[in-house]
Amino acid sequence: ELKVEQNPLFLSMQEGKNYTIYCNYSTTSDRLYWYRQDPGKSLESLFVLLSNGAVKQEGRLMASLDTKARLSTLHITAAVHDLSATYFCADSNFGNEKLTFGTGTRLTIIP
Amino acid sequence: DAGVIQSPRHEVTEMGQEVTLRCKPISGHNSLFWYRQTMMRGLELLIYFNNNVPIDDSGMPEDRFSAKMPNASFSTLKIQPSEPRDSAVYFCASSGQMNQPQHFGDGTRLSIL
Repeated sequence: ELKVEQNPLFLSMQEGKNYTIYCNYSTTSDRLYWYRQDPGKSLESLFVLLSNGAVKQEGRLMASLDTKARLSTLHITAAVHDLSATYFCADSNFGNEKLTFGTGTRLTIIP
Repeated sequence: DAGVIQSPRHEVTEMGQEVTLRCKPISGHNSLFWYRQTMMRGLELLIYFNNNVPIDDSGMPEDRFSAKMPNASFSTLKIQPSEPRDSAVYFCASSGQMNQPQHFGDGTRLSIL
């Protein structure tokens, strides 16, 4: 059974702090996606990680991929309130177009 | 550029009625995906098409659900008859190439009374 597990499921953090969201997946795929969803809104693509060791950064967010460990991380640096949202990782099933999404991590940034 | 367009945005109907959700993918994208999002089950892929052909419908919950893609710019997801447990947000997404992200529409919030 294909599984994508995220932790933590809920995260409250203070502004200015750093934290990491973890995404473990069960397939041998080398493609991993990160999305953001604001309450009541659609999903917005953040990163596409296409190979082992891939690292991408956008603003205060940095994502990385370790295909050998089947682990991706989303690191938040010096959090600001605007980053409050639910973050999903998604694994491509054995390299095809079908994605399996994780449960999501609801991030709340506290002033 | 226009994104993925879904209609209606909200639908409230009574149990037993037929419901049709519509999706227009981004022009030039050849893959289209239908998802359902609920608090209990999260985000689930229902079906996806490539070049208008259904590739994987293993996520369609039961025979009450059907999806079509008659051409490259339009797809429908139909529920007949609808039941309260079908209440969810239904998203349509499209993508152009395998290594590119899927682009999601704004979703249809469906409530079955």
